Amino acid sequence: KAGVTQTPRYLIKTRGQQVTLSCSPISGHRSVSWYQQTPGQGLQFLFEYFSETQRNKGNFPGRFSGRQFSNSRSEMNVSTLELGDSALYLCASAVLGKRGSYEQYFGPGTRLTVT
Amino acid sequence: AQSVSQHNHHVILSEAASLELGCNYSYGGTVNLFWYVQYPGQHLQLLLKYFSGDPLVKGIKGFEAEFIKSKFSFNLRKPSVQWSDTAEYFCAVTRMGGSQGNLIFGKGTKLSVKP
Repeated sequence: KAGVTQTPRYLIKTRGQQVTLSCSPISGHRSVSWYQQTPGQGLQFLFEYFSETQRNKGNFPGRFSGRQFSNSRSEMNVSTLELGDSALYLCASAVLGKRGSYEQYFGPGTRLTVT
Repeated sequence: AQSVSQHNHHVILSEAASLELGCNYSYGGTVNLFWYVQYPGQHLQLLLKYFSGDPLVKGIKGFEAEFIKSKFSFNLRKPSVQWSDTAEYFCAVTRMGGSQGNLIFGKGTKLSVKP
């Protein structure tokens, strides 16, 4: 099976702009989660989508939003970019396992630099 | 709120040395526990997981971890490290049941193995 893919891999934006990142989950996975990874804060959960519905949200401002499509592909959007939004954005897809628990599989990430 | 603590920020070992990386979590309920590894330039990969049952779990590449419920710990071990184990290791937890797409990560431990 192909792994989780994320596009684009690298992005440079200017403060105040907005950006959309895309994630294609592993075939058959209906859950997609997004994380932000920075040297200072580490890996922080942004939100999770399941069957096109946001199921969980982390502690991020409303400038961060996402959505999931009927084919389970997901996008996240960051509006009014700030310098502090520079980070590696990771997408993970998951499927419910036999014992009722998820295993999340991560994509390579999108490296966003805000100047 | 749930949190995960990894005691060591950077560990330096010589090849063939034994490894133990500490991980403690704070959450009173039933949890699922994970160790992820991020090799230089690569994406996060699942090393091992604990959902239930035997508290000693074995993962890939000779790694194992022991869940000690009374200590809220899930330490990672390997009897003999190799240069190729140089990577950053992340402990993560999610609560059992409900939405499990929200992984809470520790800050990570960088492991450097000298040849």
